[in-house]
Amino acid sequence: GAVVSQHPSRVICKSGTSVKIECRSLDFQATTMFWYRQFPKKSLMLMATSNEGSKATYEQGVEKDKFLINHASLTLSTLTVTSAHPEDSSFYICSAREKAGGPSYFGAGTRLSVL
Amino acid sequence: AQSVAQPEDQVNVAEGNPLTVKCTYSVSGNPYLFWYVQYPNRGLQFLLKYITGDNLVKGSYGFEAEFNKSQTSFHLKKPSALVSDSALYFCAVRADGQNFVFGPGTRLSVLP
Repeated sequence: GAVVSQHPSRVICKSGTSVKIECRSLDFQATTMFWYRQFPKKSLMLMATSNEGSKATYEQGVEKDKFLINHASLTLSTLTVTSAHPEDSSFYICSAREKAGGPSYFGAGTRLSVL
Repeated sequence: AQSVAQPEDQVNVAEGNPLTVKCTYSVSGNPYLFWYVQYPNRGLQFLLKYITGDNLVKGSYGFEAEFNKSQTSFHLKKPSALVSDSALYFCAVRADGQNFVFGPGTRLSVLP
């Protein structure tokens, strides 16, 4: 099946620094990528939807200036957590799909710990 | 609006016994239903999906799920549980043109 690679799998950073997480579709062109956040023992919460070449659409309550999403190519989307704080510590998961209505494939997730 | 409910936070079952993880949903239009499994510190792994056709869907690792339109349910089942099945299971629904909505998850513990 299709593969979505997410990097890094784990990152620890100091409060106030920025962290970039990459999501790559390895064997298909992803016109749409999704970024989710998962709190401990909770379900996935959709943060934003990004379409290649256009601005991301953020869900209500998600700060677009804090969680910068770039989808510059059909195989790569990045999520940058700017000026990270301990409350941003979480598990972030991306998914990608080739076309609307098609299957979505999930990355393995990135665990962010902000000290 | 779409929504997914998984009424049980935790399901415990003895190894070798059948298991059921419950899911009910609410969606406008035809639902696309999915089950995913998540192991600790890992992303989601696809198990199975219902799009159309037979109500009984067979998926990975011996899992199956039955779509019941009248009860708006899509319960996940396996005839004989393994200890290695212990994980967090998410039911998800998607309608045409809509994003995934995930249930809160059910933690399955299979006891040896």
